[in-house]
Amino acid sequence: DAMVIQNPRYQVTQFGKPVTLSCSQTLNHNVMYWYQQKSSQAPKLLFHYYDKDFNNEADTPDNFQSRRPNTSFCFLDIRSPGLGDAAMYLCATSRDSGAVAGLQETQYFGPGTRLLVL
Amino acid sequence: AQTVTQSQPEMSVQEAETVTLSCTYDTSESNYYLFWYKQPPSRQMILVIRQEAYKQQNATENRFSVNFQKAAKSFSLKISDSQLGDTAMYFCAFYNYGQNFVFGPGTRLSVLP
Repeated sequence: DAMVIQNPRYQVTQFGKPVTLSCSQTLNHNVMYWYQQKSSQAPKLLFHYYDKDFNNEADTPDNFQSRRPNTSFCFLDIRSPGLGDAAMYLCATSRDSGAVAGLQETQYFGPGTRLLVL
Repeated sequence: AQTVTQSQPEMSVQEAETVTLSCTYDTSESNYYLFWYKQPPSRQMILVIRQEAYKQQNATENRFSVNFQKAAKSFSLKISDSQLGDTAMYFCAFYNYGQNFVFGPGTRLSVLP
């Protein structure tokens, strides 16, 4: 089945120690998103890739970076995790061809990676 | 900027009964999409139902249906014959082409046996 995969599902890191979360998709979607979700809150968009074009949200800290080496994979790098970065990180994909109608605009989410910072 | 409001932080419903979750949004656009996503405890967020603003007919997916009132900018979700597996956070979301998704704060729904 086509899907969005996130590894690992749980990640423990130490304060200040760089960590990388990964996302892959078999949907062949051209847009990939990274969200941060804290307990009982709505997901907060960090950034997204439209094809190879990187789009950063204005309030995303510089501590968060992303890489998309190809269509299928996208990585979230946290350069120096702080205690406040402990959260669930969600990857999502969508196909945005520029058309107005159709199912392209729906976002499909991965299961998330729960990050714990010690 | 678009905003999405869900005025009910928590709701509960008895199994087999019907519940309606409310969502309102603010936009100046005329063509957009609205979604309800479900996020069960410790599980993946999944799409429940979507509505295109240019369609007057309310979307329906099995036990889930929406009441889309474009003029009032309201997009409520009705769950009929509630099941224990419907227990989850429900997020209303808005999307306009060329912009990002905007999520509401969520409603935590508990289905009681």
